[in-house]
Amino acid sequence: ETGVTQSPTHLIKTRGQQVTLRCSSQSGHNTVSWYQQALGQGPQFIFQYYREEENGRGNFPPRFSGLQFPNYSSELNVNALELDDSALYLCASSSPGVGYGYTFGSGTRLTVV
Amino acid sequence: AQSVSQHNHHVILSEAASLELGCNYSYGGTVNLFWYVQYPGQHLQLLLKYFSGDPLVKGIKGFEAEFIKSKFSFNLRKPSVQWSDTAEYFCAVNPDNNDMRFGAGTRLTVKP
Repeated sequence: ETGVTQSPTHLIKTRGQQVTLRCSSQSGHNTVSWYQQALGQGPQFIFQYYREEENGRGNFPPRFSGLQFPNYSSELNVNALELDDSALYLCASSSPGVGYGYTFGSGTRLTVV
Repeated sequence: AQSVSQHNHHVILSEAASLELGCNYSYGGTVNLFWYVQYPGQHLQLLLKYFSGDPLVKGIKGFEAEFIKSKFSFNLRKPSVQWSDTAEYFCAVNPDNNDMRFGAGTRLTVKP
């Protein structure tokens, strides 16, 4: 089975720019969750998509938005980048059910300068 | 506020020492509990999970965790650590089958 793949692996953007990060979910998984992991911290939940609809959102401003496609892959878009947006962005796929775990991708390291 | 707390920020052990990493959560109701490990430069990997049944859960690489409902705890243990266990360990809670919430992580350094 294929795992979760994220692209790009590294990215440098300027403050105020917009960025799109991509994620391909593991085969058989229909749910994608996005997390932001700042240096030295645990992953913080951004939002989750299930069957192309947003299915929960953490404490992130509206300039963080997402999409899920019919093949369950997903995008995370961030507008008006700020320096504090510099972090590792993790995508995780899963399928609903009791006791399921997430399969994580390796992440995209975003640096905002 | 609902949260996941990991008591130790950084733990340093010698090889063969025993390990216990604390995790407490404040969510009520049904929770699924997880420990993830992140080796340097690698992605998060699932060590073990608990959702029902025997509160003592065994995972990969000799790790185990015990769910104590009355204490809202899910501590991770390993009887004898190895240098290769050096990594960041994250406790996570999945309340009511919703999104996963993570603790801040504990960095484990094992000295050879």
